[in-house]
Amino acid sequence: KQEVTQIPAALSVPEGENLVLNCSFTDSAIYNLQWFRQDPGKGLTSLLLIQSSQREQTSGRLNASLDKSSGRSTLYIAASQPGDSATYLCAVQYSGAGSYQLTFGKGTKLSVIP
Amino acid sequence: DAGITQSPRHKVTETGTPVTLRCHQTENHRYMYWYRQDPGHGLRLIHYSYGVKDTDKGEVSDGYSVSRSKTEDFLLTLESATSSQTSVYFCAISDINQPQHFGDGTRLSIL
Repeated sequence: KQEVTQIPAALSVPEGENLVLNCSFTDSAIYNLQWFRQDPGKGLTSLLLIQSSQREQTSGRLNASLDKSSGRSTLYIAASQPGDSATYLCAVQYSGAGSYQLTFGKGTKLSVIP
Repeated sequence: DAGITQSPRHKVTETGTPVTLRCHQTENHRYMYWYRQDPGHGLRLIHYSYGVKDTDKGEVSDGYSVSRSKTEDFLLTLESATSSQTSVYFCAISDINQPQHFGDGTRLSIL
């Protein structure tokens, strides 16, 4: 069974700090990897999608990298703000059977302290 | 947001009753998905659809059925609700090589 792990489960940082969230996956035969944020009581907001042929994607203060060979992805947030406080989820779409399915990690809850 | 509406947003019902959740999209995307989100388990796929009348099972499909008679609508039915199906249910949509976009969720409580 494919597994996606996110460490740490929770993270608290002062405003303005740069930070990295980690995601690891057990099978390198992925189709793509997606990062989401989820605010309390809300749905998921798509942040970045990295195709298996790509190494990284950037959107504003966010940069996501992908290393298939080591089974890892990182989400880098520059100059963090209190509005970045949310749970960040990593999800992997695998190639092959059931390839439409996203397998999610359990998320990292980020708190940015003013 | 990506033009996804889930209804109802909240529902409380009793064990053994049938429940239908609706997902409506205005994006004309081919793929639609139903997930449930539970503490300690994260998000898990229930069923998905890759076209009108084309559906398949996900990781946790037991006790659930789906139907898609139109591109824009994807229905999730609990034939006889059980307390273990108390959860938050999310619908998502996507096209090929595009990110999945999620609705705001339905909070379902089964007493």
